[in-house]
Amino acid sequence: QKEVEQDPGPLSVPEGAIVSLNCTYSNSAFQYFMWYRQYSRKGPELLMYTYSSGNKEDGRFTAQVDKSSKYISLFIRDSQPSDSATYLCAIDTSGTYKYIFGTGTRLKVLA
Amino acid sequence: KAGVTQTPRYLIKTRGQQVTLSCSPISGHRSVSWYQQTPGQGLQFLFEYFSETQRNKGNFPGRFSGRQFSNSRSEMNVSTLELGDSALYLCASREGTADGYTFGSGTRLTVV
Repeated sequence: QKEVEQDPGPLSVPEGAIVSLNCTYSNSAFQYFMWYRQYSRKGPELLMYTYSSGNKEDGRFTAQVDKSSKYISLFIRDSQPSDSATYLCAIDTSGTYKYIFGTGTRLKVLA
Repeated sequence: KAGVTQTPRYLIKTRGQQVTLSCSPISGHRSVSWYQQTPGQGLQFLFEYFSETQRNKGNFPGRFSGRQFSNSRSEMNVSTLELGDSALYLCASREGTADGYTFGSGTRLTVV
């Protein structure tokens, strides 16, 4: 079993839709969770950083962590064509100084 | 603040050659990590440095090495290049362990 699982998509939605992106992880010791956005030919850009269960909101983005289910989500409200990118979840394996990344979900928002 | 700067952006090398990639972290960031990104494997951890010390290394052969200088700049080296080393190599830096990594735009290495 992979340490982090993420549906690769692709996911196509109409402009204005609410997008839900999800990852599951296997190790209950993981505490720090990130979401990155990566545009083509660019490096990943940090969107959200969370370290506890519950929700964290930043503009149109909400990150949700459910440690009991080992499940993390990113919601994008009022999606825009400029949100079209690959979204990667990442887990900070505390004490090892490395991140484990999901495979990424390709999102396309249609105008 | 300037972001994480990686040079060069693109490289084409021949099998058997070696290559050195350079990374300048954000000013004040002492932790630098390197990742390899390929379509098949995604982002894979290579190594992490802090104050010139390698604190962790991923599951890559010894042909992959790196170092960090006193000014926090970092380099990674790949010797005896193989076709399978073709990838986007990403460098990232962060200020502290409670911060997320900021990535550079990467160096795209093509081995022919």
